[in-house]
Amino acid sequence: EIVLTQSPGTLSLSPGERATLSCRASQSVSSSSLTWYQQKPGQAPRLLIYGASNRAAGIPDRFSGSGSGTDFTLTISRLEPEDFAVYYCQQYGNSPRMHTFGQGTKLEIK
Amino acid sequence: QVRLVQSGAEVKKPGASVKVSCKASGYNFGAYYMHWVRQAPGQGLEWMGRINPNSGGTNYAQNFQGRVTMTSDTSIATAYMELSRLRSDDTAVYYCARWHDFDAFDKWGQGTMVTVSS
Repeated sequence: EIVLTQSPGTLSLSPGERATLSCRASQSVSSSSLTWYQQKPGQAPRLLIYGASNRAAGIPDRFSGSGSGTDFTLTISRLEPEDFAVYYCQQYGNSPRMHTFGQGTKLEIK
Repeated sequence: QVRLVQSGAEVKKPGASVKVSCKASGYNFGAYYMHWVRQAPGQGLEWMGRINPNSGGTNYAQNFQGRVTMTSDTSIATAYMELSRLRSDDTAVYYCARWHDFDAFDKWGQGTMVTVSS
């Protein structure tokens, strides 16, 4: 079973700053299987990035994803007040079919 | 537009079963796998399994094998997740989520809170 480890657990930044969130896999994963989600309190997760680097429809271009193999990164170039939330990475495998999530990174206002 | 609307909150006693529904609209229900993901209070996301609405074929996470049953009714574009032998640690918000062709959960239901308490 592949384990995804996100760091840091909590990131305290101010609006306008740059945020860099990490997702590390316990073994190499296909970039096409790596996605990022944003979740705000009391809401369902929202898709941000799929295929490691592709922004989902309606996602602002300040959000970008990168990485390959075991190391993936979500970058928010200039934080807006609405970006403070919890972010999850997720990947899937086929043998057997299984989806795993990282434990999440909480992005909070400093 | 694509919508997934789930059934309302449930309170169950330990040992009971719960069945949550997820009604889809705005797209061809049978064309996309439907998944179920849960989130315990203050915790992260946990994948439970998926169903092919057309064939009824399922894959379940090992943690839920033997306790979870996912079904679908294409005539009313609704997916169901039933969890049996409930325990207190099954208290969580349960989400349905559509799996898109570009390999991601692109649409989510609003969530259904299931509380297991004696």
